[in-house]
Amino acid sequence: GAVVSQHPSWVICKSGTSVKIECRSLDFQATTMFWYRQFPKQSLMLMATSNEGSKATYEQGVEKDKFLINHASLTLSTLTVTSAHPEDSSFYICSARKMASGYNEQFFGPGTRLTVL
Amino acid sequence: LAKTTQPISMDSYEGQEVNITCSHNNIATNDYITWYQQFPSQGPRFIIQGYKTKVTNEVASLFIPADRKSSTLSLPRVSLSDTAVYYCLVVPPTSGTYKYIFGTGTRLKVLA
Repeated sequence: GAVVSQHPSWVICKSGTSVKIECRSLDFQATTMFWYRQFPKQSLMLMATSNEGSKATYEQGVEKDKFLINHASLTLSTLTVTSAHPEDSSFYICSARKMASGYNEQFFGPGTRLTVL
Repeated sequence: LAKTTQPISMDSYEGQEVNITCSHNNIATNDYITWYQQFPSQGPRFIIQGYKTKVTNEVASLFIPADRKSSTLSLPRVSLSDTAVYYCLVVPPTSGTYKYIFGTGTRLKVLA
């Protein structure tokens, strides 16, 4: 149990376009999901916390109007990179926390590689 | 949030035991210590979690001294496939929206 998927696994887009990345918890419900960004040879950087049915909480320095997060159901959160630019090229990873879990364990998705030309 | 410090990188040879130490001087009384493994272009994978003394599973062992200000992840007889980045985190047991803050991690390279 506790499988998290992401779609797509990789995407290439032109500068100025928008890209949507989906994060799904396949066999559990998640009231809270997290979005991370990882540049080559660097650690994971938390971008935002996504709560089902409410607005996401963004980390300092992350533009909420550029990285739109929607957590519309207990199994799906989406991250939309709007007006993407080459500097947005990165590896985006989501994680999910089991609903009513007694532990602070996060289950991570496989990641999405975004390349902006 | 407890900050963790790990060596940036380590090299080892196949068949050796690898010990990666993590410092967490400001760990809170109820915090757990959790280790994740990450392969290139993949999401992190949970390895092991512990509170004190020693925890062992089929993959690794985790040693935590009495003061809990550090912990050591031990990988027995590593193979080439254990080449990855290993992250140590300290996490409270329960919290509504606790955020994982990843440190630098330790880049382990296993040589033939």
